[in-house]
Amino acid sequence: DAGVIQSPRHEVTEMGQEVTLRCKPISGHDYLFWYRQTMMRGLELLIYFNNNVPIDDSGMPEDRFSAKMPNASFSTLKIQPSEPRDSAVYFCASSLAPPSRNQPQHFGDGTRLSIL
Amino acid sequence: GQQVMQIPQYQHVQEGEDFTTYCNSSTTLSNIQWYKQRPGGHPVFLIQLVKSGEVKKQKRLTFQFGEAKKNSSLHITATQTTDVGTYFCAGPRNFGNEKLTFGTGTRLTIIP
Repeated sequence: DAGVIQSPRHEVTEMGQEVTLRCKPISGHDYLFWYRQTMMRGLELLIYFNNNVPIDDSGMPEDRFSAKMPNASFSTLKIQPSEPRDSAVYFCASSLAPPSRNQPQHFGDGTRLSIL
Repeated sequence: GQQVMQIPQYQHVQEGEDFTTYCNSSTTLSNIQWYKQRPGGHPVFLIQLVKSGEVKKQKRLTFQFGEAKKNSSLHITATQTTDVGTYFCAGPRNFGNEKLTFGTGTRLTIIP
């Protein structure tokens, strides 16, 4: 079975450019989560969706960040304009149900983003 | 807000030695999940504990959930080079909450 698929795997771009990260969750999973991982801050939840609807975006650092989920099999995380401090590994994860109902999260391979 | 701390932050052990990481939450958890992230990889789900005082084993790994459901531990017996990585605990922020709070992680390195 295919797991969570993220693209691109690596992205290097100059500050000020728009960056779009993509995610395909596991088929049938109703929950989709976007995380950011850095050495300083660890693994942070940015936003999550339930049945394609954004439920909580309180982790999104600034208005420069936006996320969409137009259908059950696709989500994007966009940064515009990008800044060097956005450099991190961005993970997408999906699950059948929320963690409070004892469901694990399945992570994609991540996108390693470097903003110069 | 809820915090989940893990100690130690780093652990270097000789191959064959045992390893333990401890996880402490500032609030009661409905369950605790453990993940492993290999260097350069992504977090991979290992196990989930739900009941107070629960103990589960996976080969050389033993997981415990505290009686008060605020702490947990992972113990690895006779470490191998394949155990290298960062181990994270994670729990829902509050009962019924849909978000996981990940612990700070313990990075394990093995000296061959």
